[in-house]
Amino acid sequence: NAGVTQTPKFQVLKTGQSMTLQCAQDMNHNSMYWYRQDPGMGLRLIYYSASEGTTDKGEVPNGYNVSRLNKREFSLRLESAAPSQTSVYFCASTPAIAGGNQPQHFGDGTRLSIL
Amino acid sequence: KNQVEQSPQSLIILEGKNCTLQCNYTVSPFSNLRWYKQDTGRGPVSLTIMTFSENTKSNGRYTATLDADTKQSSLHITASQLSDSASYICVVSAWQAGTALIFGKGTTLSVSS
Repeated sequence: NAGVTQTPKFQVLKTGQSMTLQCAQDMNHNSMYWYRQDPGMGLRLIYYSASEGTTDKGEVPNGYNVSRLNKREFSLRLESAAPSQTSVYFCASTPAIAGGNQPQHFGDGTRLSIL
Repeated sequence: KNQVEQSPQSLIILEGKNCTLQCNYTVSPFSNLRWYKQDTGRGPVSLTIMTFSENTKSNGRYTATLDADTKQSSLHITASQLSDSASYICVVSAWQAGTALIFGKGTTLSVSS
């Protein structure tokens, strides 16, 4: 079982460049999430999608946009990358919106460096 | 402010020994508490989820406890193995619309031979 697949695994960008991080899940989950993980900090929610066709801001949405392309795919876009966005980005999914007693399934992350 | 504090920040133990990781939270209203294991370079993987009414939950050599009155949880690892070397993250869920998961910073466990 693939679970949650993230691409690319690594990326180096220059300040001001744009890119899209891709995430796909094959578990027929309704809800999907984007987090960033920085050294010495807990995971922080960027955006989430409770169900296909809906997206909402999380704790740290500035500088990011998302698209829930279909039930399987949820992408994260950096329009104009900044060094402060250097981080490890994780995508996660749950059968329904987290808050119920269901574990989140995480991908293995995209390691993004912005110079 | 909803917060999750974990201790210790890091821990080194010998293979075969037991250890206990701590999690204190100030999250309201409480829904459930989760422990995740995150191997280096990988995403977090769920170990246990406990609701308000559950005091203990086990997953193999991992046993989580919850005291909702004192807002404390612990993760006990029995007979540690080298593969237990990882970061262990405590996550508390609050009853709110949308996502309401508050992540701790994690405890880094190193098991040496």
